[in-house]
Amino acid sequence: GDSVTQMEGPVTLSEEAFLTINCTYTATGYPSLFWYVQYPGEGLQLLLKATKADDKGSNKGFEATYRKETTSFHLEKGSVQVSDSAVYFCALNTGGFKTIFGAGTRLFVKA
Amino acid sequence: GAVVSQHPSRVICKSGTSVKIECRSLDFQATTMFWYRQFPKQSLMLMATSNEGSKATYEQGVEKDKFLINHASLTLSTLTVTSAHPEDSSFYICSAPPRTGTAGELFFGEGSRLTVL
Repeated sequence: GDSVTQMEGPVTLSEEAFLTINCTYTATGYPSLFWYVQYPGEGLQLLLKATKADDKGSNKGFEATYRKETTSFHLEKGSVQVSDSAVYFCALNTGGFKTIFGAGTRLFVKA
Repeated sequence: GAVVSQHPSRVICKSGTSVKIECRSLDFQATTMFWYRQFPKQSLMLMATSNEGSKATYEQGVEKDKFLINHASLTLSTLTVTSAHPEDSSFYICSAPPRTGTAGELFFGEGSRLTVL
């Protein structure tokens, strides 16, 4: 079945460090890929998305490129801030109602 | 601002009682809403798909008599945890898809933390 695997956390970085959170997927068909973010005490919010191979999603300085050949959608940011501390979820949808989420990666950014 | 709102955000109840959690779509109509359960340090587990005007569709292993879902209007879905027990303690989250957009793009509620004593 469809699945999403993302790196285990927590990831702890200093402010202005480079961030990568790895995400790989298994899916039949051609999924759309998403990164959602959950700030402390809040629900999830869509951070960025990509709907086809080689698309790059970007938002708030975060980027992720849909790589069909490696079935990956790694999240990157060049310079993290304390306010980026949150849990990040990679997710996929193959066009139906069901969205598959990864386990989430917690990010701590120290000042 | 929030487009999906959940209430209550936190609830503590005694074992054996029932608890109702509401999920409302604000400023848009949602014929479908989703209910998830999130365990500590784990991902979201889809419990059921709530359909306006018809029965909810439950995921395998989710007890429909335990977790009652009602989608009585285009802006409101409710999850009732019946005869709650400590093992039902969890973070429950709802979501709804926007009227237009990519399949998988969802608006989430703030979540409801249930603690059963």
